[in-house]
Amino acid sequence: QQQVKQSPQSLIVQKGGISIINCAYENTAFDYFPWYQQFPGKGPALLIAIRPDVSEKKEGRFTISFNKSAKQFSLHIMDSQPGDSATYFCAAPTFGGSQGNLIFGKGTKLSVKP
Amino acid sequence: DAGVTQSPTHLIKTRGQHVTLRCSPISGHKSVSWYQQVLGQGPQFIFQYYEKEERGRGNFPDRFSARQFPNYSSELNVNALLLGDSALYLCASSLAGVTNQPQHFGDGTRLSIL
Repeated sequence: QQQVKQSPQSLIVQKGGISIINCAYENTAFDYFPWYQQFPGKGPALLIAIRPDVSEKKEGRFTISFNKSAKQFSLHIMDSQPGDSATYFCAAPTFGGSQGNLIFGKGTKLSVKP
Repeated sequence: DAGVTQSPTHLIKTRGQHVTLRCSPISGHKSVSWYQQVLGQGPQFIFQYYEKEERGRGNFPDRFSARQFPNYSSELNVNALLLGDSALYLCASSLAGVTNQPQHFGDGTRLSIL
């Protein structure tokens, strides 16, 4: 069964702290791993993505770390801000059959306290 | 440039009715995918279309169908609505619908079944 396991389910961080969200993938394709940010009433917005030929990718305050041997990848949000409060989803491509579609984790609700 | 646009934004139906949801992809994008997002969960893949042909189908009953038009816009149809069909229906577009190209989501159609 193809699946993506995401943890924690919810996360509370103080302003300026580091938020860390973890994902593990099973039986999925492994050529592209995106993270999406979703605010209430909105669709998921692509935040950052990594390809497995690199172990880390950084864009501003957001960093993805990828561990191919462990089949895990994580999102780090440095200097977390109240505006980062949202639900974050990791995803992995489906393997076999349909190309170009994603299996999502169940999401992590992040609250950044001022 | 406009992002992915979906209509309507909200819809209320009763059990047994039929519904049609519409999606316009980002200009230049030829692939459209549909996802269902139940409250508190990650999006779940329903269909992918590329160049007007179905590329993939998720684990959804035959009551769900879709099509893509020559201008790459798409419709999702759901027949014989059930209470469990209440969800946010998301459309995502990508350039060519392959695994390592980013998908960009619209803000969805919130469907409520009474």
